[in-house]
Amino acid sequence: DAGVIQSPRHEVTEMGQEVTLRCKPISGHNSLFWYRQTMMRGLELLIYFNNNVPIDDSGMPEDRFSAKMPNASFSTLKIQPSEPRDSAVYFCASSLFGLHEQYFGPGTRLTVT
Amino acid sequence: QKEVEQNSGPLSVPEGAIASLNCTYSDRGSQSFFWYRQYSGKSPELIMSIYSNGDKEDGRFTAQLNKASQYVSLLIRDSQPSDSATYLCAVNKSGGGADGLTFGKGTHLIIQP
Repeated sequence: DAGVIQSPRHEVTEMGQEVTLRCKPISGHNSLFWYRQTMMRGLELLIYFNNNVPIDDSGMPEDRFSAKMPNASFSTLKIQPSEPRDSAVYFCASSLFGLHEQYFGPGTRLTVT
Repeated sequence: QKEVEQNSGPLSVPEGAIASLNCTYSDRGSQSFFWYRQYSGKSPELIMSIYSNGDKEDGRFTAQLNKASQYVSLLIRDSQPSDSATYLCAVNKSGGGADGLTFGKGTHLIIQP
């Protein structure tokens, strides 16, 4: 079975540009999570969805960040405008609602220059 | 106080010995506990979950939970060089449904051949 799919795997952009990260959860999973990992702060939860509905976005750092889940098989995380401090690895994870085991995608390494 | 704390290491263990990794958490309401393994440049991989006090064994891995002491540990028996990685402790506050995980910053484990 396919795991969590993320695209792109690497993104290099200039400050001020819009960045869109994409995620396809494991088929049948109905909870989806976006995390960010940096050396300084470790792995942090940004936002999560249950059954396509955003439940908790308190981890989203600023209004420049937004996330959507238009259907059960697709989610986006958008940063507009991007800043150098947004450089990090962004992971998407999914789980089956009611179970707590989360499975991570390969991540998107974002570099903002 | 950090919510989930781990010794960053590196923890160096000879091949064939037992590696012992520790984690403490601050929220007494935490219900679910996980260990993830992360190789350099890769995504976190779930290796163990534990929900009740005591030990849980899976192959060479044993997770131990003591809710009174707010302490979780992971033992790796017969350590192999392929076990060299960063081990992340994660905690979920929810007793049901799906919530985001709170991660420690990880312990870097080195298995010396």
